[in-house]
Amino acid sequence: DAGVIQSPRHEVTEMGQEVTLRCKPISGHNSLFWYRQTMMRGLELLIYFNNNVPIDDSGMPEDRFSAKMPNASFSTLKIQPSEPRDSAVYFCASGTGATNEKLFFGSGTQLSVL
Amino acid sequence: DQQVKQNSPSLSVQEGRISILNCDYTNSMFDYFLWYKKYPAEGPTFLISISSIKDKNEDGRFTVFLNKSAKHLSLHIVPSQPGDSAVYFCAASVFQTSNTGKLIFGQGTTLQVKP
Repeated sequence: DAGVIQSPRHEVTEMGQEVTLRCKPISGHNSLFWYRQTMMRGLELLIYFNNNVPIDDSGMPEDRFSAKMPNASFSTLKIQPSEPRDSAVYFCASGTGATNEKLFFGSGTQLSVL
Repeated sequence: DQQVKQNSPSLSVQEGRISILNCDYTNSMFDYFLWYKKYPAEGPTFLISISSIKDKNEDGRFTVFLNKSAKHLSLHIVPSQPGDSAVYFCAASVFQTSNTGKLIFGQGTTLQVKP
């Protein structure tokens, strides 16, 4: 299996622009998570899906952030408009949804908003 | 509110010695704990876990200890090797009510093992 695939690996954009991050989970996994890594808060959970349904989006920082999972093999995290404080590494992770779960992470998207 | 805390941003140890990474949590409902390791430009990878019914779990050079009364866990690496140099994240979840695998992570500790 190719693992969790994220694109792009790096994104540089200007303040005010729309940014879309993409994730393909591991086939057969029915839980998908979006995390953001910052120095202050470490790996911060933004939103997660179970069977393509958003379960908890309480970690989404603002209305500028939105996430979708139109099918079991694809999810997007969108920031519109982007701001410099959104600069961070964004990780997607997937799991089987079982208890005592260990999640599998993608390589992340390094986002820089200038 | 940071439910999982790693208060040491960094740790430096000599090759062959023991590395001890610490983690504290505030939510008494957490009953499953994990450690992840992250190399630069890669995603975190699972290292070792422990259920709250245990106080110790060992896997080769890695041992995790859990002190539920203190809401504290630690990761011991013995002996430490230069290849262990990475960022280590502590994570926790609620077993009983979570059927989605939601993990709450700490801030991470950067371990440097010097040759």
